[in-house]
Amino acid sequence: GDSVTQMEGPVTLSEEAFLTINCTYTATGYPSLFWYVQYPGEGLQLLLKATKADDKGSNKGFEATYRKETTSFHLEKGSVQVSDSAVYFCALSDSGGGADGLTFGKGTHLIIQP
Amino acid sequence: EAGVAQSPRYKIIEKRQSVAFWCNPISGHATLYWYQQILGQGPKLLIQFQNNGVVDDSQLPKDRFSAERLKGVDSTLKIQPAKLEDSAVYLCASSSRGAYNEQFFGPGTRLTVL
Repeated sequence: GDSVTQMEGPVTLSEEAFLTINCTYTATGYPSLFWYVQYPGEGLQLLLKATKADDKGSNKGFEATYRKETTSFHLEKGSVQVSDSAVYFCALSDSGGGADGLTFGKGTHLIIQP
Repeated sequence: EAGVAQSPRYKIIEKRQSVAFWCNPISGHATLYWYQQILGQGPKLLIQFQNNGVVDDSQLPKDRFSAERLKGVDSTLKIQPAKLEDSAVYLCASSSRGAYNEQFFGPGTRLTVL
């Protein structure tokens, strides 16, 4: 079945550092890939997405490129801020017959120190 | 635009009791999902509805879990009888179409089974 593996946390960085959170996936079809974020005390919200190979999703300074050859969708940001502290989830949707529920990784807790 | 509403926000029950959760999706969203998120893990899809029909319930433990979406709007998820391992956050999400579309998540119901 489908699965998503992402780096375990917590990941602790200083403000303005470069961020990479690794994500790899296994899927039978041609999935869409997503990064969701959960800020403290809030619900899950979509950060960015990519629907086909070589697509780059971007939002709020974060980027991720859909790499089919390495089955990866790593999240990057050039300069993190304290406000980026949150839990980040990589996910895929391998829609077949309209069933497009998300398969999530375990989440990576990111802590940004001032 | 109002978001996905869920109630109750918290519930504590004894094992073998029954419990029900309610979800009201974003107006006009035809697709509704229920996810289970155990502490330290990513959400796991339990069931997906398209209008009032079930699209995917392959991961729903049907011996104790049931869900319905009457009239294609609100949905309820029931557990009967509950087990200790059902302690989790139950998330409801909705989207306006099928594949590639953003899923909007509610705040979740935190269930504790004692």
